[in-house]
Amino acid sequence: EIVLTQSPATLSLSPGERATLSCRASQSVSSYLAWYQQKPGQAPRLLIYDASNRATGIPARFSGSGSGTDFTLTISSLEPEDFAVYYCQQRSSWPWTFGQGTKVEVK
Amino acid sequence: QVQLQESGPGLVKPSETLSLTCTVSGGSVSSGSDYWSWIRQPPGKGLEWIGYIYYSGSTNYNPSLRSRVIISVDTSKNQFSLKLSSVTAADTAVYYCAKDRRGFDVWGQGTMVSVSS
Repeated sequence: EIVLTQSPATLSLSPGERATLSCRASQSVSSYLAWYQQKPGQAPRLLIYDASNRATGIPARFSGSGSGTDFTLTISSLEPEDFAVYYCQQRSSWPWTFGQGTKVEVK
Repeated sequence: QVQLQESGPGLVKPSETLSLTCTVSGGSVSSGSDYWSWIRQPPGKGLEWIGYIYYSGSTNYNPSLRSRVIISVDTSKNQFSLKLSSVTAADTAVYYCAKDRRGFDVWGQGTMVSVSS
């Protein structure tokens, strides 16, 4: 099973700042990595698929990069609605697995 | 616009079988482009993929749950279902159904299932 390790666990930032979230895989997942946003009481929402492709309707301030074992989700300028928990997920090898999440909170 | 809706009991007794159904609207489970998954999230914790089914009936399960899980599809009702047997308190979670096309791009709202006597 591929283990995804996200860092940091918590990111404390102010609106307008840049957020950089990391996801590291225990073995290569090529570009088969997705990012999700989850707000309290809601289902996750797909932000990025295949490492760098924005899902339908996702604002351009969200971008993904990386391949192999190291991936980054960047939010260029945090909006109030972006404070949430973010998960990475790999679909390179069964079973599909998720990272443990990074919480982006208001500083 | 595809929408998913989970349904089923919110409370299951230990050792019994958890049964949930996901109804698909605005799309078809017979779509050859999509896989249909179940994912769960224990209270305050992260996400765990349970397994998927393809419209043909082929399945793939998380090895951690494989011995207890069955996912089935009913194309005539445009639904797919989850059965998890011999449940314990560790199976208490929000259960989501999701459409999988290069990522889980559509999710149900989730249904909380508690395991308790």
